[in-house]
Amino acid sequence: AQSVTQLGSHVSVSEGALVLLRCNYSSSVPPYLFWYVQYPNQGLQLLLKYTTGATLVKGINGFEAEFKKSETSFHLTKPSAHMSDAAEYFCAVRAMNRDDKIIFGKGTRLHILP
Amino acid sequence: SQTIHQWPATLVQPVGSPLSLECTVEGTSNPNLYWYRQAAGRGLQLLFYSVGIGQISSEVPQNLSASRPQDRQFILSSKKLLLSDSGFYLCAWRGGREAYEQYFGPGTRLTVT
Repeated sequence: AQSVTQLGSHVSVSEGALVLLRCNYSSSVPPYLFWYVQYPNQGLQLLLKYTTGATLVKGINGFEAEFKKSETSFHLTKPSAHMSDAAEYFCAVRAMNRDDKIIFGKGTRLHILP
Repeated sequence: SQTIHQWPATLVQPVGSPLSLECTVEGTSNPNLYWYRQAAGRGLQLLFYSVGIGQISSEVPQNLSASRPQDRQFILSSKKLLLSDSGFYLCAWRGGREAYEQYFGPGTRLTVT
């Protein structure tokens, strides 16, 4: 069965520093992968997605993620953190043979230090 | 463009009372619809999903139920709330066979007292 592992339930970075949120997946079929962001008391917002093609995917708010099949990873990065990036981030993968479902990781809360 | 609405935004209910949360989607037809719950400090738990009117699949056995009386309406209900039903409830939709991502509503914060 597919699964998603997000390393680190909490990550702290200084404002202006590199943001790196780690996500590893398991899937026996070509994965479709997603990153979502959730601000307090709001719904999830799609940041970016990988389906096929270019392995470096650019999303909103300056975020990008790279699909690395050999490492089964889909880490999320942003060159320079901003205070407004403080939120919870979820990595997700399409469920195998179940186009109607996606599986979410447990989330990583990103803290931005002034 | 598509939009998804949920109401109420917040709700405080006593144990044993009934529940009805509503979700509606605009700007799309025949979407897949989903109910998720986020308990404090935990991730997303898929509760129900629907691929069409009257078609409901339950992911977790519990005292909640869901219904889809219209194409773009999804309702989450309970006859008697438990303390453990407290949480943040999210509705989501997925449109089109080639679109695998889901889009979420603003959520309902439910506190059972």
